[in-house]
Amino acid sequence: AQSVAQPEDQVNVAEGNPLTVKCTYSVSGNPYLFWYVQYPNRGLQFLLKYITGDNLVKGSYGFEAEFNKSQTSFHLKKPSALVSDSALYFCAVRDKGYSSASKIIFGSGTRLSIRP
Amino acid sequence: KAGVTQTPRYLIKTRGQQVTLSCSPISGHRSVSWYQQTPGQGLQFLFEYFSETQRNKGNFPGRFSGRQFSNSRSEMNVSTLELGDSALYLCASSLDGGSTDTQYFGPGTRLTVL
Repeated sequence: AQSVAQPEDQVNVAEGNPLTVKCTYSVSGNPYLFWYVQYPNRGLQFLLKYITGDNLVKGSYGFEAEFNKSQTSFHLKKPSALVSDSALYFCAVRDKGYSSASKIIFGSGTRLSIRP
Repeated sequence: KAGVTQTPRYLIKTRGQQVTLSCSPISGHRSVSWYQQTPGQGLQFLFEYFSETQRNKGNFPGRFSGRQFSNSRSEMNVSTLELGDSALYLCASSLDGGSTDTQYFGPGTRLTVL
């Protein structure tokens, strides 16, 4: 069965510093990986996804994520954090196909707090 | 292009009542998924509809049901509400629900059960 883990409930970073939000996954085949962000009282906004190809994926708002197959990780990164990046971040995984098992599974979320 | 819309945005109900939530997907999207978000359980998948058929279902009791109309709009219904059903209910649409498809979320319906 597929699963995804976000080992940190909260990440605190000073504005201007690089940030990393960690995600590890487990699937039986090739994974499809997603990052979403949620601001207070809002739905989830899509940031980026990895399907195949280049291990470094670039997304919205200056975020990028690195797919590492050997470590089964898909960490979200940004070179220079902004206070406005403070939000709840979700990693998600889906395996191949349209079968009943091919649901999207979300991690528990990581709250990112950027201090001025 | 308009995003995913959900109505109502807020609902207050009492135990035992039933509730219907509505979701209008992005134009051209045929897959609609529903999720329940709570502080304790996080984001949990309820079900997915494609072309008016339920294609995937999560581990929720039969009190939770849904349907999709020919215009891809979807509704979910919760009968005999329990206190534990208080949550943010999120709807997401995608083109065809394939594994590589990106889901786009609505703002959610905040349901409070008293």
